[in-house]
Amino acid sequence: DVQLVESGGGLIQPGGSLRLSCAASGVTVSSNYMSWVRQAPGKGLEWVSLIFRGGSTYYADSVKGRFTISRDNSKNALFLQMNDLRVEDAAVYYCVFGSGRWGQGTLVTVSS
Amino acid sequence: DVVMTQSPLSLPVTLGQPASISCRSSQSLVHSDGNTYLNWFQQRPGQSPRRLIYKASDRDSGVPDRFSGSGSDTDFTLKISRVEAEDVGFYYCMQGTHWPWTFGQGTKVEIK
Repeated sequence: DVQLVESGGGLIQPGGSLRLSCAASGVTVSSNYMSWVRQAPGKGLEWVSLIFRGGSTYYADSVKGRFTISRDNSKNALFLQMNDLRVEDAAVYYCVFGSGRWGQGTLVTVSS
Repeated sequence: DVVMTQSPLSLPVTLGQPASISCRSSQSLVHSDGNTYLNWFQQRPGQSPRRLIYKASDRDSGVPDRFSGSGSDTDFTLKISRVEAEDVGFYYCMQGTHWPWTFGQGTKVEIK
């Protein structure tokens, strides 16, 4: 059975950094593209970042230069390094395998 | 960015009756590889999104056959042949043809 378990969310002050992790089981993170998608409280969905099987990466303009997506094939895990966090980055962040497998999400709160 | 426009944004339905959601894109979603990367997602209250339909009309494994997707180019539709109580929630279309991948605003389906 496929499981994607996110961790690393929490309360952080504006300007701070967080590193989100996604532990995968039942799938191999390097076998397909993987992404981070976020959902602000009471709002819709936003595709944040994507890493293809070959390693190329894409970012939404809203996070470009501040967020970095990566994966560790040996740990079968996906990461999102988030720097210079802003109030508008507050959201539930979902780890997604392909587009069909989603984790339960981890909540990031950005507030002073 | 490709703008995805859903209608209606709110859809009160009677149990057992059909329902239909429209999704229009600001650009053609036909990829250079010939595929049309238009997905439909369901998000029940308090849950992660779940993909129902991929490539405009292919139903995901385990999705009831009362859900169907159709359309091409810039005009797409999700239909529920007979609404059941468990279908309550938000429905999102999403295009994966042009980066950044983008979602529609979401349609809230509720029982009358």
